[in-house]
Amino acid sequence: EVQLVESGGGLVQPGGSLRLSCAASGFTFSEYWMHWVRQAPGKGLAWVSRIRSDGSSTSYADSVKGRFTISRDNAKNTLYLQMNSLRAEDTAVYYCARDCTTACFIDYWGQGTLVTVSS
Amino acid sequence: DIVMTQSPGSLAVSLGERATISCKSSQDVLHNSDNKNYLTWYQQKPGQPPKLLIYWASTRQSGVPDRFSGSGSGTDFTLTISSLQAEDVAVYYCQQHYNAPYTFGQGTKLEI
Repeated sequence: EVQLVESGGGLVQPGGSLRLSCAASGFTFSEYWMHWVRQAPGKGLAWVSRIRSDGSSTSYADSVKGRFTISRDNAKNTLYLQMNSLRAEDTAVYYCARDCTTACFIDYWGQGTLVTVSS
Repeated sequence: DIVMTQSPGSLAVSLGERATISCKSSQDVLHNSDNKNYLTWYQQKPGQPPKLLIYWASTRQSGVPDRFSGSGSGTDFTLTISSLQAEDVAVYYCQQHYNAPYTFGQGTKLEI
């Protein structure tokens, strides 16, 4: 059974940093592209970032480019999102999600972790 | 960036009736290399992560009831629920994965 479990969310002040983790199990993590998607309270889904299976290529939404960094450790079956220079508008539930294989649709989602940026 | 526009923003349908949601992309999402539309539909219920319903615009995910169907090509797509059930109350999103950023529509809230 595919499982994606996010952690690392919490309350952070504007300008601060946070690192999210996503522990993957139930599939061969190193073979799949992975994504982060977020959802602000009461709002719709917003794609944040994706990374290739070997970590060699990444893409970002314009709203986070230069502030967020996606990475992965295939030996630990873990996906990361380093978030710096956080703003109030980054407040959201952050979902870790699996690509169906490579450059494909998202087929599995984690339960999400809440990030709140507030003073 | 490809802009995804869903309509309507909300929809009230009676039990057993048909529900139709539209999704339009600002650019063609039909990939010439494999002749597939890179358009996906998700269902999200309150307090839950999204769930994959339809991929490649018209392929139903395993386990999804056959009352759900997707159609369209190029820039115009439709999600149809043929006979609405109470458990279908949710927000529905389309997403393109033709080009990064992989943009979502704004969502359609389906109510009874």
